[in-house]
Amino acid sequence: SQQGEEDPQALSIQEGENATMNCSYKTSINNLQWYRQNSGRGLVHLILIRSNEREKHSGRLRVTLDTSKKSSSLLITASRAADTASYFCATDENTGNQFYFGTGTSLTVIP
Amino acid sequence: DGGITQSPKYLFRKEGQNVTLSCEQNLNHDAMYWYRQDPGQGLRLIYYSQIVNDFQKGDIAEGYSVSREKKESFPLTVTSAQKNPTAFYLCASSIVTGDSPLHFGNGTRLTVT
Repeated sequence: SQQGEEDPQALSIQEGENATMNCSYKTSINNLQWYRQNSGRGLVHLILIRSNEREKHSGRLRVTLDTSKKSSSLLITASRAADTASYFCATDENTGNQFYFGTGTSLTVIP
Repeated sequence: DGGITQSPKYLFRKEGQNVTLSCEQNLNHDAMYWYRQDPGQGLRLIYYSQIVNDFQKGDIAEGYSVSREKKESFPLTVTSAQKNPTAFYLCASSIVTGDSPLHFGNGTRLTVT
């Protein structure tokens, strides 16, 4: 099953602006993870937030989690052209050993 | 350097032929996964393995087979029974705990004509 769904599907911003993308999921989870994928490459893990956490920071990344709404958001502050990539959320659907990915948000940062 | 190696990067096959995609990791991870990615879509789980000589089907296992004879290797065979095999295939590994991140290889793009 495809657990997550990202919104928007595509986002285009100017360098220096903030980028926000959202993820909604369907069932209860242990944790939610965000990944980045450059074109034609594998995914790179960005950040993990557990179900008992509400917010987490890592450098220019800020992730929030609202388990009552079954949603998460990823904020990238002060974007750079190098942030251009697709971003995916992934949840474990309480299985602990399978990860279900959303359809992704394609971010373009214009220099 | 620790990591996951997928080979080859590009693979071309004729319809009706089986093809095996290689995935090797030196991260000492117990769990390994195979995902399929179609253009503009998310990843869908094909198979996963949490321990040597054991593996489970994911959501789209039909037409695929795997083996896990060694901890570091998890090859995927795309059989002729797979109706739409052309896709980008990604292998990943992780420590077997629920909150460990996945480490991905750089994928194999398979084209079947």
